Amino acid sequence: SQTIHQWPATLVQPVGSPLSLECTVEGTSNPNLYWYRQAAGRGLQLLFYSVGIGQISSEVPQNLSASRPQDRQFILSSKKLLLSDSGFYLCAWSVSAVEAFFGQGTRLTVV
Amino acid sequence: AQTVTQSQPEMSVQEAETVTLSCTYDTSESDYYLFWYKQPPSRQMILVIRQEAYKQQNATENRFSVNFQKAAKSFSLKISDSQLGDAAMYFCAYRSLFTGNQFYFGTGTSLTVIP
Repeated sequence: SQTIHQWPATLVQPVGSPLSLECTVEGTSNPNLYWYRQAAGRGLQLLFYSVGIGQISSEVPQNLSASRPQDRQFILSSKKLLLSDSGFYLCAWSVSAVEAFFGQGTRLTVV
Repeated sequence: AQTVTQSQPEMSVQEAETVTLSCTYDTSESDYYLFWYKQPPSRQMILVIRQEAYKQQNATENRFSVNFQKAAKSFSLKISDSQLGDAAMYFCAYRSLFTGNQFYFGTGTSLTVIP
């Protein structure tokens, strides 16, 4: 069966520090991969999605970037975090035109 | 880009009663998927129900059912016999069948279940 792993679960980082959130999927090949951000009490904002290795589409220009170095690995990064980067980050995967499956999320607090 | 609108930020229902959550969307496409996701306090996103636009029959999953009105671009979720465990944020989502790489989510409805 397919599973998705996202880590860390919680992260507190100072302003200006780098960020690396990782997401891996097991049990499927060539999935579409997504990074979403959810501000407190708000909906999901699509940050990046990827349809294959090295193929990244950005929805919201900001100081975040994403990479897909392997088929089932998706990484969200920042060189210098801002206070506004605080939020709940969700990784998700899908295949074909079916539903998205989500990781358990990372709560990021920038202080 | 497609837009998904959930006009009810908060809803409440008595335990064992029925509640309907509303969702409308805007698209020029004829074939697509619609979803309802549940996000409990743990914040894990859980798929509740899925509807294919080319199917006229409304989807049903146990106590959860949808009222899909394609012409009106409306996709409401009905929860019957509400339980305390149904308390959560509910998100409506859209996915194109053809350019199906992106999911578009509404802003969510927070459902409270009153004992």
